[in-house]
Amino acid sequence: ETGVTQSPTHLIKTRGQQVTLRCSSQSGHNTVSWYQQALGQGPQFIFQYYREEENGRGNFPPRFSGLQFPNYSSELNVNALELDDSALYLCASSFMGRTNEKLFFGSGTQLSVL
Amino acid sequence: AQTVTQSQPEMSVQEAETVTLSCTYDTSESDYYLFWYKQPPSRQMILVIRQEAYKQQNATENRFSVNFQKAAKSFSLKISDSQLGDAAMYFCAYRRGGDKIIFGKGTRLHILP
Repeated sequence: ETGVTQSPTHLIKTRGQQVTLRCSSQSGHNTVSWYQQALGQGPQFIFQYYREEENGRGNFPPRFSGLQFPNYSSELNVNALELDDSALYLCASSFMGRTNEKLFFGSGTQLSVL
Repeated sequence: AQTVTQSQPEMSVQEAETVTLSCTYDTSESDYYLFWYKQPPSRQMILVIRQEAYKQQNATENRFSVNFQKAAKSFSLKISDSQLGDAAMYFCAYRRGGDKIIFGKGTRLHILP
């Protein structure tokens, strides 16, 4: 167990709806990043948050947005869901600033868009 | 742009034997990190081994070792004495500093009893 927890574990939505996924970082970590893993693919970087501000973004449209809270937990919000948004969403936390920074991943949220 | 390529979608190995998973990457940077992650059916990404590009010595972690060829941009993972618990998806990954991790498409490893 890494100490990174994600909720819910599974979620089913319909096209056009909005969804919020949650991540609780490992204690002491100040950075959280989100990845999308489509079936049969490797994870792709969505964005990263450091001290409550977005600190890097991948090639995802603005309908993918996020928040990081003072306790370093995080949310990923996706508006106007599309069928292609069906994927496993992984959250990873770390402590930026350490020379040997390591990422710890949660077990993900499996999102199905019908 | 950096890329990571895993050319073996699936591999099988007999229990207790040795298997090597291949990975190549492309980057113009000289300082970066390379990783192998394991993703079992539980879906959690587990770090198997990590290599700093500035270190010439290949990383090892118990039964897991890498062959890091910086000039060839090659980073293979060797698993010795394969065990049933090693069955999983294995992802090769690249990271520069505190930037995003770039993953390959993965190799599914089957362990045959």
